Amino acid sequence: EADIYQTPRYLVIGTGKKITLECSQTMGHDKMYWYQQDPGMELHLIHYSYGVNSTEKGDLSSESTVSRIRTEHFPLTLESARPSHTSQYLCASSEYAGGSTDTQYFGPGTRLTVL
Amino acid sequence: TQLLEQSPQFLSIQEGENLTVYCNSSSVFSSLQWYRQEPGEGPVLLVTVVTGGEVKKLKRLTFQFGDARKDSSLHITAAQPGDTGLYLCAGVKVDSWGKLQFGAGTQVVVTP
Repeated sequence: EADIYQTPRYLVIGTGKKITLECSQTMGHDKMYWYQQDPGMELHLIHYSYGVNSTEKGDLSSESTVSRIRTEHFPLTLESARPSHTSQYLCASSEYAGGSTDTQYFGPGTRLTVL
Repeated sequence: TQLLEQSPQFLSIQEGENLTVYCNSSSVFSSLQWYRQEPGEGPVLLVTVVTGGEVKKLKRLTFQFGDARKDSSLHITAAQPGDTGLYLCAGVKVDSWGKLQFGAGTQVVVTP
């Protein structure tokens, strides 16, 4: 059973606010990911990390930033939220098993609405 | 342009019917994964296929990886309401360090 948690589950916030989406996993996984998901569209990778102090931008350009100070924690921050940031944000983690067969475990997601 | 094209986008069937979902690409993948996502939850891995031509069965679900490792299909036999969900295919491209490329998903609804 995967143990990966995201808070908050839902967030409605005004334009210009700074927000942090939390993601924690208790599986000791080195690899962690942030995806953006919109209805009818594929999940887009926006950030990933291979371990502590490692962060990389994903395939979809994002104004958000991430940090990885502890193995279990991978928060995502938006310095100034805009309506275009409205989306579902999914966090995932995986244990390295050769790359092509890694299983990613997903959190339940944070539904962000920026007014 | 999506790297992985899933079809159909939406499928509504009666309990007991069969269905097939397709995942196609012009790119070669090291492996291909299928996930199912239910409302308010994250995707959950169903299967990983690695070898071209590979067929895997998971109870009433049959997954096939194309010979050229560019496409895959998911077949559900005698669908049940519990099969309702968003089915996502995701491929790992060669030399991508395990990063997944997702399709847009197929929403399957099975009514009693």
